[in-house]
Amino acid sequence: GQQVMQIPQYQHVQEGEDFTTYCNSSTTLSNIQWYKQRPGGHPVFLIQLVKSGEVKKQKRLTFQFGEAKKNSSLHITATQTTDVGTYFCAGANAGGTSYGKLTFGQGTILTVHP
Amino acid sequence: GAGVSQSPRYKVTKRGQDVTLRCDPISSHATLYWYQQALGQGPEFLTYFNYEAQPDKSGLPSDRFSAERPEGSISTLTIQRTEQRDSAMYRCASSLSLAGSTGELFFGEGSRLTVL
Repeated sequence: GQQVMQIPQYQHVQEGEDFTTYCNSSTTLSNIQWYKQRPGGHPVFLIQLVKSGEVKKQKRLTFQFGEAKKNSSLHITATQTTDVGTYFCAGANAGGTSYGKLTFGQGTILTVHP
Repeated sequence: GAGVSQSPRYKVTKRGQDVTLRCDPISSHATLYWYQQALGQGPEFLTYFNYEAQPDKSGLPSDRFSAERPEGSISTLTIQRTEQRDSAMYRCASSLSLAGSTGELFFGEGSRLTVL
């Protein structure tokens, strides 16, 4: 079945440093979504990427979808303590009978030291 | 309602008992998902519904797990003869998108199940 792998599992940064998490799927995706989960909270939607090679920005966050639609990345510029949390990617099947199924990666836990 | 509501928020049960978890999605949301999330892990897909149809239940760990959404709105997840390994956070999410596409998932606060 479809697998979505995310690296690194943990990332510790000093406030002001950049942060990147990478997501790789074993199969071609129709789209990929990114979520943030604060400690003790639930996943909250950040963005969805649909097109091959797509790049989207949200303030200090930059999201990319690979040309082959099998990988994605999230980059945060100049991290702040409010960025602390776990970042998940979630990929949707490109075809087959389970078109709407979203498979989550294991997440990257970001810690920001002030 | 305003958001996805799950109940109970916490459930402690003894091994061998049956439990039923409830999810009330955002009204008019077509798609409803159930995920299992262990501490420090990503949500693991269990099943999903498009209205009352259940296109994929491949993530249900065993035949002790079942889910329903009989009227295309509220859903329940039932675990029969619970085992300690069933202890986890069970998350429900709903999405406005119809079958054949995916959109933003809105998650509930989850139901934390502890099996003693």
